[in-house]
Amino acid sequence: DAGVTQSPTHLIKTRGQQVTLRCSPKSGHDTVSWYQQALGQGPQFIFQYYEEEERQRGNFPDRFSGHQFPNYSSELNVNALLLGDSALYLCASSLRTGFLEQYFGPGTRLTVT
Amino acid sequence: GEDVEQSLFLSVREGDSSVINCTYTDSSSTYLYWYKQEPGAGLQLLTYIFSNMDMKQDQRLTVLLNKKDKHLSLRIADTQTGDSAIYFCAESIPGTYKYIFGTGTRLKVLA
Repeated sequence: DAGVTQSPTHLIKTRGQQVTLRCSPKSGHDTVSWYQQALGQGPQFIFQYYEEEERQRGNFPDRFSGHQFPNYSSELNVNALLLGDSALYLCASSLRTGFLEQYFGPGTRLTVT
Repeated sequence: GEDVEQSLFLSVREGDSSVINCTYTDSSSTYLYWYKQEPGAGLQLLTYIFSNMDMKQDQRLTVLLNKKDKHLSLRIADTQTGDSAIYFCAESIPGTYKYIFGTGTRLKVLA
């Protein structure tokens, strides 16, 4: 049973660039949430996707956007990158009816220089 | 407001019990979670408890909830070196799909 997978593992970008991160949910899961984890901090909720729509958003600017595909996989896009966007980006999947149990992927480490 | 607080570090000897503490602020009925994060890895759900419960036990893990003080603790019995990791407390916000995480407690187990 494949767990949550994320790609790429690491990424280095320059300020002002755009980045796309990808997530495949655990088999059978239909809901994907994205989190930003800065160094030494806990994860911060970015948004959640269900049925290809964003149904909840955290306190992140519009530079952060996402998409969910019919196969439930998801992308996180960040435009106009800032140094402060450097973080570990975590994807978590769950079942709509079992939201209690989120399964996290290993994350994508984004470094903005 | 929404805030979850944890102490930053805890060091214990192998075989001892570890107790990791957390305080939360949301006063509504909610679920509270403990996650474990090992270096270079994502978060692993260890256990969760609903806010109308006082205690939950799962093998070496015991969760205690003091609703009056909004205090949550995770006790790990017979702590092993493999338990060394960062432990996050989190709460789900009622009426939303959001989780609020604490800053994490780094547990170091000394052999």
